[in-house]
Amino acid sequence: DADVTQTPRNRITKTGKRIMLECSQTKGHDRMYWYRQDPGLGLRLIYYSFDVKDINKGEISDGYSVSRQAQAKFSLSLESAIPNQTALYFCATSDLLGQGQFFGPGTRLTVL
Amino acid sequence: TQLLEQSPQFLSIQEGENLTVYCNSSSVFSSLQWYRQEPGEGPVLLVTVVTGGEVKKLKRLTFQFGDARKDSSLHITAAQPGDTGLYLCAADNTGGFKTIFGAGTRLFVKA
Repeated sequence: DADVTQTPRNRITKTGKRIMLECSQTKGHDRMYWYRQDPGLGLRLIYYSFDVKDINKGEISDGYSVSRQAQAKFSLSLESAIPNQTALYFCATSDLLGQGQFFGPGTRLTVL
Repeated sequence: TQLLEQSPQFLSIQEGENLTVYCNSSSVFSSLQWYRQEPGEGPVLLVTVVTGGEVKKLKRLTFQFGDARKDSSLHITAAQPGDTGLYLCAADNTGGFKTIFGAGTRLFVKA
């Protein structure tokens, strides 16, 4: 079984809709992250959480929110989706040393 | 703003050739990682380097962290089609709480 899972794997939605992407991990890591990947721009950090009570904005948090429901679960919401949020979204985890992250398989989101 | 620049952006070579890709910055980092990403999948961690001048080997892949901890290189010996993918470098700031990623080098190895 995969250590980091993401649902859904693919999603097509319309402008203005609320979308939630979910991430679960079985690695027992405290730290979890949400990134988006766009061609030529690499991975950009949206939000990160170092434990259940800790939520921090990344470099591109506008238009997104997160919830850390448990150590193993970290969800990302788009309150009102817009076309420029079309991208690949990845969840990742790391241990307390933070030296290297473990990524989920990604969610391909298309906003029409 | 801390930036990681990777070069080249794209590399297409024949099976059996050697290659080196680079990851450069003007900032000092506490550690640096290399990942490989294949289409439809998330990045997979290959290695983490921590000490300036450190060299790590993973089969045909050799990773080096610069003496000043600002840059790194990945050398692949006798490339194989299975090495095809997007190679990403990532680095942690000296506080260790934020990771930045380079845009990646897309490698294609032809059989």
